[in-house]
Amino acid sequence: IQMTQSPSSLSASIGDRVTFTCRASQSISYYLNWYQQKPGKAPNLLIYATSNLQSGVPSRFIGSGSGTDFTLTISSLQPDDFAIYYCQQTYNTPQTFGQGTKLEIK
Amino acid sequence: QVQLVQSGAEAKRPGASVKVSCKTSGYIFTTYAIHWLRQAPGQSLEWMGWITVDNGNTKYSQKFQGRVTITRDTPANTAYMEVSSLRSEDTAVYYCVREGKTRPATGALDYWGQGTLVTVSS
Repeated sequence: IQMTQSPSSLSASIGDRVTFTCRASQSISYYLNWYQQKPGKAPNLLIYATSNLQSGVPSRFIGSGSGTDFTLTISSLQPDDFAIYYCQQTYNTPQTFGQGTKLEIK
Repeated sequence: QVQLVQSGAEAKRPGASVKVSCKTSGYIFTTYAIHWLRQAPGQSLEWMGWITVDNGNTKYSQKFQGRVTITRDTPANTAYMEVSSLRSEDTAVYYCVREGKTRPATGALDYWGQGTLVTVSS
């Protein structure tokens, strides 16, 4: 299953509301997870099963969608949020990731 | 606290093999699956395979079938991933990752090792 993220990069300011999109090449039900990765670090799980917040993740991260189209929204950008975001489908094997959306400071 | 600590960076020649270790602590090793992924420089994440630690069953991406072997040593709380017949395209950071027990279960990966850089060059 191919995962396509858009945009590939995004510039935004502190306090902005931003939304990333992830599209699957076929229906994956709710088997969609989101990760944040900072330079030189391992990814960090943010959202699982489309809309469930991983323990310890701030509530400004909001996931939604179903089937083939999914979104990750950050309601009010904080300095710590500038990173690369990846979506992942675990509907079938091999699990696959999108190419990532790089969030940069405007 | 849950930790996955991987072995150090490796430099290999084409055709060689590499074995990366992943020592876990802070949870019951046999109750969680371990996955291995890799990330080539500037690229996204690529899933390689996984092991159900309690019984040792493995499953691999077709791309790596026959060239990757995942094992575990339960008394040592450690998982291993070996890649053979290395080529330059295998240069990447390799991660061991624990599969979480989320509700609902989606195979989300909740704890990651720090990564091991494997460089393949002649």
